[in-house]
Amino acid sequence: KAGVTQTPRYLIKTRGQQVTLSCSPISGHRSVSWYQQTPGQGLQFLFEYFSETQRNKGNFPGRFSGRQFSNSRSEMNVSTLELGDSALYLCASSLGIRVQGHYGYTFGSGTRLTVV
Amino acid sequence: SQQGEEDPQALSIQEGENATMNCSYKTSINNLQWYRQNSGRGLVHLILIRSNEREKHSGRLRVTLDTSKKSSSLLITASRAADTASYFCATDANSGGYQKVTFGTGTKLQVIP
Repeated sequence: KAGVTQTPRYLIKTRGQQVTLSCSPISGHRSVSWYQQTPGQGLQFLFEYFSETQRNKGNFPGRFSGRQFSNSRSEMNVSTLELGDSALYLCASSLGIRVQGHYGYTFGSGTRLTVV
Repeated sequence: SQQGEEDPQALSIQEGENATMNCSYKTSINNLQWYRQNSGRGLVHLILIRSNEREKHSGRLRVTLDTSKKSSSLLITASRAADTASYFCATDANSGGYQKVTFGTGTKLQVIP
């Protein structure tokens, strides 16, 4: 079965612009989580969606937002981009939210965002 | 320090040798997971060990968990050049009524052919 698909693969944007990243989870997976990965900060949790509702949120400013659609596909949006937003953004899907059991993540290949 | 810190930060070994990576964490957990990441790619789930388990095996991988010491180790036996990657532990713990998965800083493993 198809894995987690993230689009686009690479993106270059200018400071002040906004960007939308997309993630299609594995068929049947209802939970989608987003992570930001940078050399300095490592993997930082952004948010988790389940059944179109945000279930958990990391410590990122309000410029970072997301949503999940009825087909479990998710998007994340970053407004007013800053140079420090340059990172690899990873999406991960799982069968359910953690409270429902012990599930591992399946990650997509990520979107490499460069802000210039 | 962060929840989930790996040690060492980097490790270089010869093919055929064993590689051991350690992970320490701070809070009570429901389970701990190990992931592998090839350069610039997504993470691949390797193994999940629950808080009531002490050891788990998967092929050449062996994971131990010591909840009293809040630590885990990942052992890769008979390493291969293809094992070269970064390895992350991730702790799954309660956070505001939901579970939250927090990743460590990773160990960069280089296996020299």
